[in-house]
Amino acid sequence: KQEVTQIPAALSVPEGENLVLNCSFTDSAIYNLQWFRQDPGKGLTSLLLIQSSQREQTSGRLNASLDKSSGRSTLYIAASQPGDSATYLCAVKDSSGTYKYIFGTGTRLKVLA
Amino acid sequence: NAGVMQNPRHLVRRRGQEARLRCSPVKGHSHVYWYRQLPEEGLKFMVYLQKENIIDESGMPKERFSAEFPKEGPSILRIQQVVRGDSAAYFCASSLKTVQENTEAFFGQGTRLTVV
Repeated sequence: KQEVTQIPAALSVPEGENLVLNCSFTDSAIYNLQWFRQDPGKGLTSLLLIQSSQREQTSGRLNASLDKSSGRSTLYIAASQPGDSATYLCAVKDSSGTYKYIFGTGTRLKVLA
Repeated sequence: NAGVMQNPRHLVRRRGQEARLRCSPVKGHSHVYWYRQLPEEGLKFMVYLQKENIIDESGMPKERFSAEFPKEGPSILRIQQVVRGDSAAYFCASSLKTVQENTEAFFGQGTRLTVV
């Protein structure tokens, strides 16, 4: 059974810092991995999609990497800003079952001005 | 080109009433997923549907909950005889194809159900 874990659960950093959020999954049989952002009381915004055959994806100040064999993904945020404060969720698309998305528990990020 | 539309955004029901949550996927998408998010928790998978078929309902409680995705119209998540523990945010996602690694999931804004 696929399980997805995110570390740390919460993170507070001063503005301008570069930071790394971690996501690990127990079964390497995945189709892809997506990183999402969720603001309090809001829906999910897709940030990056990494296909299983890819190693990384970049969008602006965000860079996500994927190491399928070790069951890990990282989301790197460069030069963090207060507007980056949100909960970040990773989700894997499981290829061993019925292709549903399985979510991690999230990392609550607070960037201090 | 509208994204995933969920309605209502907020729903208040008394214990014992029925709740109906609607999800219109991205135009052309034939795969719909429902998730539940309890306060301060992650998203838990409930059910995965394709048009007129339930593919995986392993995350949905066996009683009081049902889901459908008819040939025409939105997907419906139905909760009968709601209890306070059903209070949560319910999110719907849609995707174009499933067995491809470049398929992206798009999420709606969610329906926040409060049972009083």
